[in-house]
Amino acid sequence: TQLLEQSPQFLSIQEGENLTVYCNSSSVFSSLQWYRQEPGEGPVLLVTVVTGGEVKKLKRLTFQFGDARKDSSLHITAAQPGDTGLYLCAGAPGTYKYIFGTGTRLKVLA
Amino acid sequence: GAGVSQSPSNKVTEKGKDVELRCDPISGHTALYWYRQSLGQGLEFLIYFQGNSAPDKSGLPSDRFSAERTGGSVSTLTIQRTQQEDSAVYLCASSLNPGTDTQYFGPGTRLTVL
Repeated sequence: TQLLEQSPQFLSIQEGENLTVYCNSSSVFSSLQWYRQEPGEGPVLLVTVVTGGEVKKLKRLTFQFGDARKDSSLHITAAQPGDTGLYLCAGAPGTYKYIFGTGTRLKVLA
Repeated sequence: GAGVSQSPSNKVTEKGKDVELRCDPISGHTALYWYRQSLGQGLEFLIYFQGNSAPDKSGLPSDRFSAERTGGSVSTLTIQRTQQEDSAVYLCASSLNPGTDTQYFGPGTRLTVL
């Protein structure tokens, strides 16, 4: 069974702080995605990374795919209350299906 | 509408009853996925459609769960003889093509089995 473990599971921080969320697996993925989900809504795609070692930036968010394509991290700089939500990573072991991680629930306090 | 829609948004049913959940994907999207999400956790893959065919049903938890897709568009997920452990949010997503194209998610159906 392919599993994607995310850490931490919960994170509560003050506005302006930095944070990193980790997504780890023993399996190799052809690509990996990060989503953010808000209450009552479906997940929304933030980024897709496909190359080992790849780094992508989306405003204050930095995403990195591990060299071996088994892990990834999401770093948020100067977090804002609008960043609050459930962050999910999802890895594609093959060509059409994504395996979702266990989720990290982030709360940013004003 | 422009996005993926799901109905009903909420469903409360009694143990043992059958329920049908509906998904309207984005027009023109050939791939459709069903997921289950419990207690705001990660998503559990249930089934994948390419057109009207379901090449991968591996995630369906039991034979009480079935799904179909008609006209390459609307999909229905049916749960027979519901159990309390079926309570969850059921999410549908569609993508233009199968594979790593962006999946667009609907808002989900929250199912509560009493």
